[in-house]
Amino acid sequence: SQKIEQNSEALNIQEGKTATLTCNYTNYSPAYLQWYRQDPGRGPVFLLLIRENEKEKRKERLKVTFDTTLKQSLFHITASQPADSATYLCALDPLENQGGKLIFGQGTELSVKP
Amino acid sequence: SAVISQKPSRDICQRGTSLTIQCQVDSQVTMMFWYRQQPGQSLTLIATANQGSEATYESGFVIDKFPISRPNLTFSTLTVSNMSPEDSSIYLCSARVGGTDTQYFGPGTRLTVL
Repeated sequence: SQKIEQNSEALNIQEGKTATLTCNYTNYSPAYLQWYRQDPGRGPVFLLLIRENEKEKRKERLKVTFDTTLKQSLFHITASQPADSATYLCALDPLENQGGKLIFGQGTELSVKP
Repeated sequence: SAVISQKPSRDICQRGTSLTIQCQVDSQVTMMFWYRQQPGQSLTLIATANQGSEATYESGFVIDKFPISRPNLTFSTLTVSNMSPEDSSIYLCSARVGGTDTQYFGPGTRLTVL
């Protein structure tokens, strides 16, 4: 069956460290994968999109990797800050899906302690 | 990018009534979607709002329960009909900007059905 999975347990790290979140998928061949941040009671905020032919994408303190062999994306936040505390969602658009519909993982809650 | 607004931001409704949620995008977009996020869960796609034609619903969602309109390229409505407590969720509007694969989300409408 098709699945997209993120770390189900909350990730607690110390301020200044690098947070690494994982997104694994099975039985999809996504054209690209997107990462979002969601704060409680708010809509998801787009962070980064990485395509199947890209290995890595960066934006300020954020870095995303995409390994289509492992069927995995890693999301890194370097020099983390308490303001980075939120739930992070990965979402993919399967190649076979012509309509641009996103399939979401369940999200990983990140807590950065001062 | 696209800025998406939704109205109302939250509502408390009685069982058996209906609520219409409005979604406005600040620019013309190619595709608009409606998602539901139940408490503690990730996002689930309800339907794709098609301009000038009937919406395309995902498995488990039907037009009689969730009628959708999209009269132009920047506006859509979702109605939650004959509500029950199980419909208590956050309802999110999303739009895909033409020429990109990025999807943006509105702030959500938090619905509580008593």
